[in-house]
Amino acid sequence: DAKTTQPTSMDCAEGRAANLPCNHSTISGNEYVYWYRQIHSQGPQYIIHGLKNNETNEMASLIITEDRKSSTLILPHATLRDTAVYYCIVGYFGNEKLTFGTGTRLTIIP
Amino acid sequence: GAVVSQHPSWVICKSGTSVKIECRSLDFQATTMFWYRQFPKQSLMLMATSNEGSKATYEQGVEKDKFLINHASLTLSTLTVTSAHPEDSSFYICSASEGGADTQYFGPGTRLTVL
Repeated sequence: DAKTTQPTSMDCAEGRAANLPCNHSTISGNEYVYWYRQIHSQGPQYIIHGLKNNETNEMASLIITEDRKSSTLILPHATLRDTAVYYCIVGYFGNEKLTFGTGTRLTIIP
Repeated sequence: GAVVSQHPSWVICKSGTSVKIECRSLDFQATTMFWYRQFPKQSLMLMATSNEGSKATYEQGVEKDKFLINHASLTLSTLTVTSAHPEDSSFYICSASEGGADTQYFGPGTRLTVL
């Protein structure tokens, strides 16, 4: 599986957009980009995923560069409940194993 | 999204005993389930992959005779930690995927403490 690189931690003011970057320069053509988050002492929560096109759902937007070597997760209006560790993972499909890195610890500041 | 449950949410046991953790997919049929382990302040580490009706595939370094995995139905997988020791104390998390789906969904986790 391709590896990902994320900043260790980030802060964001409540109500502002949180932009979390992820580098995945060795991603292969049929690997998806997945984003999960883990709030303390809970299981990871699925946020969004994409292959080539930008994606948006009720939680977030995912922007994937044209060369697919990096992506950005955008939380449009961050709230205190968005404080969590965010994991960017690349993988082939839902029934294939996912390799978790260290993620980005996002702290939303009141 | 799909819902995955785990039971129990936490368990405390004595050293040398065995503990069984259940993982259920509540609203879909999970052809594949994964078991992860997470130590404090660390990321999730995959322990094994199980497909319904087949033997589990264990990651390197995970003892298959110590961590018994059964995936006998499309909605239930179990992880049994045999002869548990204090070093097995951890947060155990399962995930599940429906056949042909492109997403995995995770359970809430089970915190195991071995005294």
